[in-house]
Amino acid sequence: GQSLEQPSEVTAVEGAIVQINCTYQTSGFYGLSWYQQHDGGAPTFLSYNALDGLEETGRFSSFLSRSDSYGYLLLQELQMKDSASYFCAGRVEDSNYQLIWGAGTKLIIKP
Amino acid sequence: NAGVTQTPKFQVLKTGQSMTLQCAQDMNHEYMSWYRQDPGMGLRLIHYSVGAGITDQGEVPNGYNVSRSTTEDFPLRLLSAAPSQTSVYFCASSLGRMNTEAFFGQGTRLTVV
Repeated sequence: GQSLEQPSEVTAVEGAIVQINCTYQTSGFYGLSWYQQHDGGAPTFLSYNALDGLEETGRFSSFLSRSDSYGYLLLQELQMKDSASYFCAGRVEDSNYQLIWGAGTKLIIKP
Repeated sequence: NAGVTQTPKFQVLKTGQSMTLQCAQDMNHEYMSWYRQDPGMGLRLIHYSVGAGITDQGEVPNGYNVSRSTTEDFPLRLLSAAPSQTSVYFCASSLGRMNTEAFFGQGTRLTVV
């Protein structure tokens, strides 16, 4: 079946760098998106990788390797406001190009 | 800039009741969708629409109906509420089906007792 796997929780220290991984098992994959969701809030778009490689947006970077069915979100210079859940989502041909979502990674930041 | 507006934000229903969750967007987006989010799970697609007059089922459509009479509005109807439908519901929109960035409403927290 189609699925995206992410760790359920990651802990890091303020000011540090953290990587959140996402692996997928699906065919007809059309790129990987990342969303941030604060507790009680709505998901907000962070980044998208259509092709292999690294995309950088300020303190956030996202990477995709299609050959390894793997991607990650890299957060640098962590701030307390980055405490949130992060979701990877992939657009899959078999699901009529709808987004398939991972279960989310809760990022806990300690001072 | 209103973006995507969902109402209500909170709702408690009794088993068997029906209700409509409202969703409206002012960005002239063609693609709209409804998701439910349960604890420890990602978003699951209920129904979606690629334009006015066109709707289709997602991953978990049972117990829900949708319609898209205008580009702006995409209401979700619960036909006969069940406790299993207790969840947080999100409406989202994007320029098109293949667009990478989806804009979400603030969510509706629904409890069925």
